[in-house]
Formats: sequence, structure tokens, C-alpha cells
Amino acid sequence: QKEVEQNSGPLSVPEGAIASLNCTYSDRGSQSFFWYRQYSGKSPELIMSIYSNGDKEDGRFTAQLNKASQYVSLLIRDSQPSDSATYLCAPRLGSSASKIIFGSGTRLSIRP
Amino acid sequence: DGGITQSPKYLFRKEGQNVTLSCEQNLNHDAMYWYRQDPGQGLRLIYYSQIVNDFQKGDIAEGYSVSREKKESFPLTVTSAQKNPTAFYLCAGQDRETGELFFGEGSRLTVL
Repeated sequence: QKEVEQNSGPLSVPEGAIASLNCTYSDRGSQSFFWYRQYSGKSPELIMSIYSNGDKEDGRFTAQLNKASQYVSLLIRDSQPSDSATYLCAPRLGSSASKIIFGSGTRLSIRP
Repeated sequence: DGGITQSPKYLFRKEGQNVTLSCEQNLNHDAMYWYRQDPGQGLRLIYYSQIVNDFQKGDIAEGYSVSREKKESFPLTVTSAQKNPTAFYLCAGQDRETGELFFGEGSRLTVL
């Protein structure tokens, strides 16, 4: 079992719709969860962090965390063509260790 | 400007040669990371360092070496023992409070 699993996509969503990206992780001790966006040929940039169960909203982005199910998701509302990118899920393994492992990413394409 | 600075951005190397990638930060991050990314793939952890003079192997450390002689610098050497070194290399610093990683612009290494 992979430590972090994401659907590789591509996920195609019409402009203005909600894009839903999912991630599961294997380490029950994971405490912090990060979503990064990566445009082709560029380095990843942090878009959301979530630390406790439930939802966290920031503008058009909502992160959802369910530690019991070992599941974290990212919703993008009112999807724009500029949201087309690869989205990487990254749990922080363990409660005190610094090690951060990334999922393989989901490629999102917003069609006009 | 504050941030993570990687150099060079592009590097070409002949087979059998060692090459060192530079990573410098002025964000006062204790922990720093090196990842490798192959085309269409996620990030794989090479090495990370939580404090000066200490570092740990990641999932793909073979053929790589690092040093952490000062807090601001975490260079990565790709040795001739690395069988397939052509890749995009990413360095990141970690915020101590949030655990968030902040990436440099990356170094793209091509072995000829």
C-alpha cells in the first residue's frame, strides 16, 4: 500500500463547476495535511493546510479532513482555467517527525 | 528578497561526473528537504535535515549525498553512482510552527 494515494487523472471539469480532488494516506499518526498546486515545469506552491477534522475554507478552496477514514480532499469552487494544474497531497508523517511524503498528484483540467 | 534559492536552474552533465546543486534560504528554517521529480510523476524524497549537522535519508537516497554545515545551506551532490540522474530537483524549507514546505524554483539536471 502506498503511503499517499491520489487518482492521477486527468480530471476534466467545466469552467464554473466544482472540482473535487481526493487523497488517502496510510499513516494514522499523520497530524498535518497540505495541498500544493504545481503548474507544468514549475515548483509546487502551497494552497491549503489543514490540521483538524472537518472543513477549512479559503476563498474558492475548501479542504476537508477525516482522520478516522484517513482521507483528505480539496474542493475548488467556480473553477477557472487558471486552476488547470497538478494538485499534490502531502501529509506530515507522524506527530513529531518532519518527514513529508507527497502523493503522485492529480492532474486537473478546466475546460472553457 | 526572502525565500529559497536554488542554483543552477539548468545543468548538463556527462555520465560519470558528480554535480552539486545549491540550495540557500534566508527564512530561518531549521528543516530543509530535497525532492526529485520525474516527468509526469510526483515528488520523491531524497534527503532531509532537521537541524545543522544532521540529516536523514529519504526514500531514494542511493547515489546522492548532502551536507548541512550551516542553517542557510543544504547542497545536494548527485554522484556518478546515481543510475538515472536526469530529473527536476526541488529544495524546500519548512516552517517550524506550521510544518508547511516552501519550495525553490528547482534545478533541472540533464545527463548527456
